[in-house]
Amino acid sequence: GESVGLHLPTLSVQEGDNSIINCAYSNSASDYFIWYKQESGKGPQFIIDIRSNMDKRQGQRVTVLLNKTVKHLSLQIAATQPGDSAVYFCAENGSGANSKLTFGKGITLSVRP
Amino acid sequence: DTGVSQDPRHKITKRGQNVTFRCDPISEHNRLYWYRQTLGQGPEFLTYFQNEAQLEKSRLLSDRFSAERPKGSFSTLEIQRTEQGDSAMYLCASSSTRLSSYNEQFFGPGTRLTVL
Repeated sequence: GESVGLHLPTLSVQEGDNSIINCAYSNSASDYFIWYKQESGKGPQFIIDIRSNMDKRQGQRVTVLLNKTVKHLSLQIAATQPGDSAVYFCAENGSGANSKLTFGKGITLSVRP
Repeated sequence: DTGVSQDPRHKITKRGQNVTFRCDPISEHNRLYWYRQTLGQGPEFLTYFQNEAQLEKSRLLSDRFSAERPKGSFSTLEIQRTEQGDSAMYLCASSSTRLSSYNEQFFGPGTRLTVL
């Protein structure tokens, strides 16, 4: 079946460095993707999204890259800060009327001071 | 706070009891979703409403689960005869098909259910 998965369970980075979190998806019909950040005890927080007709989108300190050829999504965080420590999920929304999001398992980002 | 709100934030119950959770979406959002999240996993879709109509239910939603959105605003999720396997975080999200043609979903803080 279709799934969205993350390559690594944890990522540890030095404060100030850039972080890259990767995600693979298997539903080639997906036309919309979202990255969420989830802190302990809280609901997922919307970070950035990208549509399938784009390959890059930038926000404040974050960039999402989409490679449809290999069905790969990445989240880049510039100048990582302690407040970026959280679990990150990629999610995909299948095409057409399908409104449910399919999430991966999540990757923990730990920022070292 | 104009975000999605959920009540209660925490619920501890004994096996076999019924529980009900409430979700208030972002105002003017016509779509409302319920997800379940267990430790270390991503949220799993349960069901969603467009206005008051329940449009899709996951196979995860057994007959012990029922969700309603009677007036197209807040929603309730009821679990009857709770089992220990129901222990999880229940998340609510909302989105608007009027404001966007894409499915930006915004989540509430969740209700953490513990079944003893």
